[in-house]
Amino acid sequence: NAGVMQNPRHLVRRRGQEARLRCSPMKGHSHVYWYRQLPEEGLKFMVYLQKENIIDESGMPKERFSAEFPKEGPSILRIQQVVRGDSAAYFCASSPAPISGANVLTFGAGSRLTVL
Amino acid sequence: EDKVVQSPLSLVVHEGDTVTLNCSYEVTNFRSLLWYKQEKKAPTFLFMLTSSGIEKKSGRLSSILDKKELFSILNITATQTGDSAIYLCAVSKWGGSNYKLTFGKGTLLTVNP
Repeated sequence: NAGVMQNPRHLVRRRGQEARLRCSPMKGHSHVYWYRQLPEEGLKFMVYLQKENIIDESGMPKERFSAEFPKEGPSILRIQQVVRGDSAAYFCASSPAPISGANVLTFGAGSRLTVL
Repeated sequence: EDKVVQSPLSLVVHEGDTVTLNCSYEVTNFRSLLWYKQEKKAPTFLFMLTSSGIEKKSGRLSSILDKKELFSILNITATQTGDSAIYLCAVSKWGGSNYKLTFGKGTLLTVNP
């Protein structure tokens, strides 16, 4: 039973390029959450998606960042026109249902973006 | 603003030592405190604490929460090199957004043979 799968694990982009990070949730999980970990910082919530719906994007930067979770395929976090400040580890987590009670987020191994 | 502070930020010990990691928090509508272990892969869940004074235990790891003083500790006894990792503390809140965990910066634990 594979866990949350993220790819690529490492991505290098030059300033101005686009970065696409993919997340396949655990089997049977239809809720996906993206977190970002900037250098020397704790993980910070970005966005919560269900299939074909963005539930909460309150943590997403207002520009250049977007996320989707299509009916088929992985969730995608897209960063357009990357800048050096976007260099971070991006973690995806999933859950089988909305987080409640004893449910906890199951995280993937993260995608480490480096912007040159 | 919600805040989670972990200490120390880093710690180096020898195999067999016992370590205590600290996590203090300031958050409105506190629901639970979670500990994760982050190695060079996915952060893995260790404990979720919701009630004061009740110790959670898993092998050599244990944790307890003090909701009056707003902190938690994670103890690791008889440390092994495989315990080397970043230990993350996070809190969740009551309300509609309990998936929005607030994380501390983590404690980097290095266990030397």
